Amino acid sequence: EDQVTQSPEALRLQEGESSSLNCSYTVSGLRGLFWYRQDPGKGPEFLFTLYSAGEEKEKERLKATLTKKESFLHITAPKPEDSATYLCAVPISFFQGAQKLVFGQGTRLTINP
Amino acid sequence: DARVTQTPRHKVTEMGQEVTMRCQPILGHNTVFWYRQTMMQGLELLAYFRNRAPLDDSGMPKDRFSAEMPDATLATLKIQPSEPRDSAVYFCASGLVIEELSSGNTIYFGEGSWLTVV
Repeated sequence: EDQVTQSPEALRLQEGESSSLNCSYTVSGLRGLFWYRQDPGKGPEFLFTLYSAGEEKEKERLKATLTKKESFLHITAPKPEDSATYLCAVPISFFQGAQKLVFGQGTRLTINP
Repeated sequence: DARVTQTPRHKVTEMGQEVTMRCQPILGHNTVFWYRQTMMQGLELLAYFRNRAPLDDSGMPKDRFSAEMPDATLATLKIQPSEPRDSAVYFCASGLVIEELSSGNTIYFGEGSWLTVV
């Protein structure tokens, strides 16, 4: 069964303390991996798409990497405004070639000043 | 700045009442998704429209949920009758999907409709 698992469920860091979030998946024939950020009371906001193992993408203090089995979202010297839930998702073909994004449960990141 | 618009943002209703949620996708997008988010289940796909045609709604409880897209600027999700277990955040998302989601395309979410059924 196609699954997306994120760890840890929650992570609390001090401002400036770098760390990584993990997204592992069991999907045959991966066709990309998506990262979203979700603030409380808001919808998920698109961050990155990674297509192949070894690929990296960066945005401000965030860097996403992809291997054949998992993706990491590295956050360097985070600030309180980076506090949010980070979701990863993979596209799954399910009907007449259509694809849906299957999401992990998310990692709730809190950055203390 | 193009965005997906959802109404209502918040809804509290009594069990048994009909609830209709509306979504205006981003202009030019050909694909619309309805997702439901709960603490226990996370984000679950309820319905999927491509060029206004419903391709899949297997994630919805058929006896009480229905989804339609009467025109390219409006998608609706209706619950009748509503039950307390329907309390959740309902997100609409849209995208311009040519072949695959991974082909440089992604989907963009609205702010959600927060539903509480008492």
